[in-house]
Amino acid sequence: QLQLQESGPGLVKPSETLSLNCTVSGDSISNSFYWGWVRQPPGKGLEWIGSTNGGSSSYNPSLKSRVTMSLDISKNQFSLKLTSVTVADTSTYYCARHHWRVVDPLDVWGQGTLVTVSS
Amino acid sequence: QSALTQPASVSGSPGQSITISCTGSTTDIATYDYVSWYQHHPGKAPKVILYDVKTRPSGVSDRFSGSKSGNTASLTISGLQAEDDAYYFCSSYTTLMTLVFGGGTKLTVL
Repeated sequence: QLQLQESGPGLVKPSETLSLNCTVSGDSISNSFYWGWVRQPPGKGLEWIGSTNGGSSSYNPSLKSRVTMSLDISKNQFSLKLTSVTVADTSTYYCARHHWRVVDPLDVWGQGTLVTVSS
Repeated sequence: QSALTQPASVSGSPGQSITISCTGSTTDIATYDYVSWYQHHPGKAPKVILYDVKTRPSGVSDRFSGSKSGNTASLTISGLQAEDDAYYFCSSYTTLMTLVFGGGTKLTVL
């Protein structure tokens, strides 16, 4: 059974880079599926950050200048880097897998990890 | 891209039916049938309950149904049950080749 687990610092200082990993178990990330990140600020709705299959990436236009996503096939992980964070980036961050392409639903999700941006 | 518009909250009694709307624009819902709905119980991972407007993943109850007209998609839940009490989010593919979510709707089963 496919499972995803987010990991990374729970506290990041303003202006620094937020880095999260998503470890995939139960399948290989090299199978051409798209893998995505979604976040949810406290008390607010879901916001798509972006998705990648390693060779091609698509990002939320409002975050595109600060986001990088990549795959590490050797570790069966994919990662998110968000630069120049502010308090507004405080959110629960979820990693998820698309059923196949970006147009397809996010059918497997991690439990989410809360990242707080604060000095 | 702007978030899709959903009502903040809806409510219904057990056994009743409710409908949640999700309004977008010509750059998303009106152009594509790539609309998905997610059920989210706080503290748990979101779960896809409908995709491609009205397709149910394996294992999802047929009490959940979807439709679309113009730039508005709708989720209907019939025969409300206590476990349906949750947040519901819609999403759509866009002409920018991105995804956009709705603001979410809190369903309260009275």
